[in-house]
Amino acid sequence: SQQGEEDPQALSIQEGENATMNCSYKTSINNLQWYRQNSGRGLVHLILIRSNEREKHSGRLRVTLDTSKKSSSLLITASRAADTASYFCAQGNFNKFYFGSGTKLNVKP
Amino acid sequence: EADIYQTPRYLVIGTGKKITLECSQTMGHDKMYWYQQDPGMELHLIHYSYGVNSTEKGDLSSESTVSRIRTEHFPLTLESARPSHTSQYLCASSESGEGYTFGSGTRLTVV
Repeated sequence: SQQGEEDPQALSIQEGENATMNCSYKTSINNLQWYRQNSGRGLVHLILIRSNEREKHSGRLRVTLDTSKKSSSLLITASRAADTASYFCAQGNFNKFYFGSGTKLNVKP
Repeated sequence: EADIYQTPRYLVIGTGKKITLECSQTMGHDKMYWYQQDPGMELHLIHYSYGVNSTEKGDLSSESTVSRIRTEHFPLTLESARPSHTSQYLCASSESGEGYTFGSGTRLTVV
């Protein structure tokens, strides 16, 4: 399978703490994207990092990419209860992307 | 706000019935996709299209079929629903491959 893996599968933290989740993939990529899914809903695109980039920021989100290790990480700083959701990485080329099984984040108020 | 719409949102149907899940987008995107997702599990690509009259099967074998007669419309059809088809079906579109826009999904239950 070309699908990657997110790690950990589940993460529970207190509001205000930082949350870090990781993604590993198997094949070469053009870019890697992170998505968020609230329970029972569709996915929402959060951030994209291209294969020639190493780090990217968007608000409270920080994404890193290490193509030599075929891995990426998503850091959410100063987490809020509203950040509770599942987070997926998607990797692939311009035509098809593959999703892992996600990290389920629970932020306790 | 997402400009991709899936209907119905929920569907409970009996075994053997034919169903069509609708997906429409107003963004003029050429690329459209159907993913299947069981609760709390990964997404599996079942069909995709790169434009009108172009459809391909994804990596997960599916008994469903799709059509792409218009750019904005990408319906998925099951000729004879079975309990094993119970799942959530997510439709997505993309312009450049640099980010998908997803619909809210159709949660299908076959009894």
